[in-house]
Amino acid sequence: DAKTTQPPSMDCAEGRAANLPCNHSTISGNEYVYWYRQIHSQGPQYIIHGLKNNETNEMASLIITEDRKSSTLILPHATLRDTAVYYCFETSGSRLTFGEGTQLTVNP
Amino acid sequence: DTEVTQTPKHLVMGMTNKKSLKCEQHMGHRAMYWYKQKAKKPPELMFVYSYEKLSINESVPSRFSPECPNSSLLNLHLHALQPEDSALYLCASSRQPGYNEQFFGPGTRLTVL
Repeated sequence: DAKTTQPPSMDCAEGRAANLPCNHSTISGNEYVYWYRQIHSQGPQYIIHGLKNNETNEMASLIITEDRKSSTLILPHATLRDTAVYYCFETSGSRLTFGEGTQLTVNP
Repeated sequence: DTEVTQTPKHLVMGMTNKKSLKCEQHMGHRAMYWYKQKAKKPPELMFVYSYEKLSINESVPSRFSPECPNSSLLNLHLHALQPEDSALYLCASSRQPGYNEQFFGPGTRLTVL
């Protein structure tokens, strides 16, 4: 069972930052937060993960609250190609359990 | 090569047919996964292979039979499927078991008539 909660949908204007929230209130000390996305009709794609520090890579930034009960994925300059379903997970490494995710639509 | 390939892209089969899905990766990954995704639903884990051995079977019906002939290849053998088994079947791999940066293939779209 997915232990994370995400809004079902969000909209963002092209070129603006997209901030996608995730609540993981039952996360334990050794569980990482992972983010994936799935563009329509494609396989899911890994984006980023973190434990307690904020992380940044070429795709996105991940902000994790100090109590680790929530996180925000930031796409700094969203493009139309970022339209996808975004999934967050908490996992200690045994498996990924996909929740319903957030459908992000980037509008021109 | 950071790609997971899956063949065929599309498959239509009758309920009495036997068919196989194939997945391949050449990244040296030692964990491979099968997921099933119904329309407008998230992917669901079916099987995990760790170092070519089946380590997780998520109570999948026996009409689905996985096989890992070597560290680069993963097959899913299908027999006597039902129409409700129609779905997108996704393969993924990761560097090691428990390493959750998984690389997914594009999937095989299966239709059971």
